[in-house]
This record gives sequence, C-alpha cells and structure tokens, in this order.
Amino acid sequence: EDKVVQSPLSLVVHEGDTVTLNCSYEVTNFRSLLWYKQEKKAPTFLFMLTSSGIEKKSGRLSSILDKKELFSILNITATQTGDSAIYLCAVAGRNQFYFGTGTSLTVIP
Amino acid sequence: EAGVAQSPRYKIIEKRQSVAFWCNPISGHATLYWYQQILGQGPKLLIQFQNNGVVDDSQLPKDRFSAERLKGVDSTLKIQPAKLEDSAVYLCASSLHQVAYGYTFGSGTRLTVV
Repeated sequence: EDKVVQSPLSLVVHEGDTVTLNCSYEVTNFRSLLWYKQEKKAPTFLFMLTSSGIEKKSGRLSSILDKKELFSILNITATQTGDSAIYLCAVAGRNQFYFGTGTSLTVIP
Repeated sequence: EAGVAQSPRYKIIEKRQSVAFWCNPISGHATLYWYQQILGQGPKLLIQFQNNGVVDDSQLPKDRFSAERLKGVDSTLKIQPAKLEDSAVYLCASSLHQVAYGYTFGSGTRLTVV
C-alpha cells in the first residue's frame, strides 16, 4: 500500500531556531515529491523534488530528497512566527498524489 | 494567471441535507482533483478527472458523494445526504497534465455539518 509518513506530527520552537521536518514514503512509480505550507487557506507550493541529493533552496527554507532511502527533509533556519503552519509532504505516484498527515509547526516569539 | 476558483468558501448544513461545491480550474489544465481534508489530517483524494473523464474515484463514497466535470472545465462535487463526519475542507486542485510537475490548489470550501 502506498503511503507517506511525516514526522514529527507537531513541533513547537522559539524564534531563531532551526527545524528539520521529515517525510518518508513508499509509493510505487515515484515521480516527484512536493512540499506545501498550509496556513488557514489552501496549501501553497514550496518545493518539488525529483532527483536525489540536489538541494533546493528558497530563502530560509531548503529541502533535499534521498530516493535510495525514500525520504525527504525540509529545513527552516532562523524560524519566524510567520513560519507557523502545517507543512504537508506529497508524493506523486503513477496516477495520483499521496499526502502525509502533515507536521504542525508553531514558532513562539 | 488566475488561480483555481472554488465556491462557496464556507457552508453550514444540517445532517441529511444536500450540498454542492463548485470548482473552476486554471485555464487549460486538463487534470482536476477533489480532496477532502479533515481537521488534523492530510488531504485525501476523492476523485481525479482527466478532461471530463474519471481517472480515479476509488476513495469517493459513492453512496452519498458524486462529482462531474461536464465539458472538461468546471467541476461540481455533491454530497447527498450529508453526515456529521463529512465536516471537512474540500479542496480542488488542477494541473496541466496528469501528475504533472506541481499543481495548484483552490482556497477550499469549509463544510460544517451539524
């Protein structure tokens, strides 16, 4: 059965901390892995990863994929209160996307 | 470019009533998805359309849920009759190709069944 597992389920940190969110997967016919940030509205796209070992960066966020070990990490450095959100990992299989349950991040001032 | 449009934004209904949600995907996007996201969970795929044909509806509770995408553009998702456990956010997403590189979500419809 195809599945995506994210950890931790929730995380509370102080501003300025660095956090690492994990996403492991078992999906047949893997095509890509995507990270989304979800606040009160619909998820907004962060990264798409298709190749192992190539880090993608956007400001304080970065992500990397390991297709051998079947996982990805999302790093956020120097966290800010605006980073508080649910971070969703989705993996594209042959015909659909599979979502994890998300990691709820709370950044305390 | 305009995003994926969904309406209504919020809906409160009593159990056993009917409700319908509407989605207008990004122009030219052939693939359209409906997801159900229950509080505290990741989105669950309900149905996927490729143009006006159904690709996957294996997780759609067909006894009460139905969806259509006439003319391969707009789509409606209907629940009849609604149950308390249908309370969730219903997200619509579209992509240029099936399982394309990245796709776009609408703002969602928050349904509360009381």
